[in-house]
Amino acid sequence: DTTVKQNPRYKLARVGKPVNLICSQTMNHDTMYWYQKKPNQAPKLLLFYYDKILNREADTFEKFQSSRPNNSFCSLYIGSAGLEYSAMYLCASSANTGQLYFGEGSKLTVL
Amino acid sequence: GDSVTQTEGLVTLTEGLPVMLNCTYQTAYSTFLFWYVQHLNEAPKLLLKSSTDNKRTEHQGFHATLHKSSSSFHLQKSSAQLSDSALYYCALFMNNNAGAKLTFGGGTRLTVRP
Repeated sequence: DTTVKQNPRYKLARVGKPVNLICSQTMNHDTMYWYQKKPNQAPKLLLFYYDKILNREADTFEKFQSSRPNNSFCSLYIGSAGLEYSAMYLCASSANTGQLYFGEGSKLTVL
Repeated sequence: GDSVTQTEGLVTLTEGLPVMLNCTYQTAYSTFLFWYVQHLNEAPKLLLKSSTDNKRTEHQGFHATLHKSSSSFHLQKSSAQLSDSALYYCALFMNNNAGAKLTFGGGTRLTVRP
């Protein structure tokens, strides 16, 4: 099974409220990624876990948090959503080969 | 820093015509280049990958050759099909002590018309 599952698929949030997105994979991949995808823009890497080590991109360091309680699960947490957070959030996993397996995404709309 | 450039944001073709989507990159590290394809309402999926200079790689009718001298990895197909309509991303993979990262280009939306 090469499926990466994301929940929820659609999320509506109010400005200032927290958002938690969940991702899971059963391929025993050591790396899990979170990308933000806005229309007509490239997927932007937000952060990734290599095993238990979290790496966050410098320009989004303070905006997103994540946890990986075990190999299979990884969450993306926004403490206080702003309008600019509206986007598709793509989770992916990899065995460090460069071949990423993507989930179908979680579409976040902030109102 | 590492970057990937896809010059065309939108490409519209008539079925049967050849496809060429451009990709150039900048990196100071080992070079692994990928093409990912995303069809409507689906997750991005790997289409092609290469790390070998001047070697053609093929899959599902598409092919690409990594040219390190020109930092290019253009995607080609001899004859476009309606089902090729999708979003195509060129991506650069880097693996160092901090882990592995994939940097995407801006994407090219290919539309194939009858």
